[in-house]
Amino acid sequence: EVQLVESGGGLVQVGGSLKLSCAASGFTFSGSAMHWVRQASGKGLEWVGRIRSKANSYATAYAGSVKGRFTISRDDSKNTAYLQMNSLKTEDTAVYYCTRFSDHYDSLDIWGQGTMVTVSS
Amino acid sequence: SYELTQPPSVSVSPGQTARITCSGNALPKQYAHWFQQKPGLAPVLVIYKDTERPSGIPERFSGSSSGTTVTLTISGVQAEDEADYYCQSADSSGTYADRVFGGGTKLTVL
Repeated sequence: EVQLVESGGGLVQVGGSLKLSCAASGFTFSGSAMHWVRQASGKGLEWVGRIRSKANSYATAYAGSVKGRFTISRDDSKNTAYLQMNSLKTEDTAVYYCTRFSDHYDSLDIWGQGTMVTVSS
Repeated sequence: SYELTQPPSVSVSPGQTARITCSGNALPKQYAHWFQQKPGLAPVLVIYKDTERPSGIPERFSGSSSGTTVTLTISGVQAEDEADYYCQSADSSGTYADRVFGGGTKLTVL
């Protein structure tokens, strides 16, 4: 079964750090670009960032709102992507989804169930 | 930063046709994609590359593109189609976001 499972969410204080994980199964993870998307309660979807495959030099890109604070990485041997979040702000409170980019669809075709991150002041 | 603009809400009666628009300056040059999201669940891709439908998505879902506007059309709306719908495209300016989402449209089936 093709799936993504996020973990690592929780409650953290303003200024703190948290690292999310995204475990993939059922597809060739190493060949896929992986994206992170977040959604604050009652709000819309916000693209956070992405990491491309080894063939594309593991290139990363980030939304302006998180650039310099968040880092996306991956371990292809573990079929896992990560989102390291530092200097957290209350506005980072959201459900965080990892999602696979499909070259066929030119879009995000597989999504995890999401993990909740709450940043408290 | 690049923005995609959607109406906040659309309402239709069962069996009627719902049309949800998404506007953005780069849409003539970049594909748009549509996601359906029901409460408490992850988004689901319903239209990709402006007009294509993934396998498993009902035929009543279709997409079209004209200039700077793309449209998601749901023909013969059913109660189960009530959800939030988001368009998504690429930020061709390359300034910040690699990908951009519209603000979302809540579809209400009356």
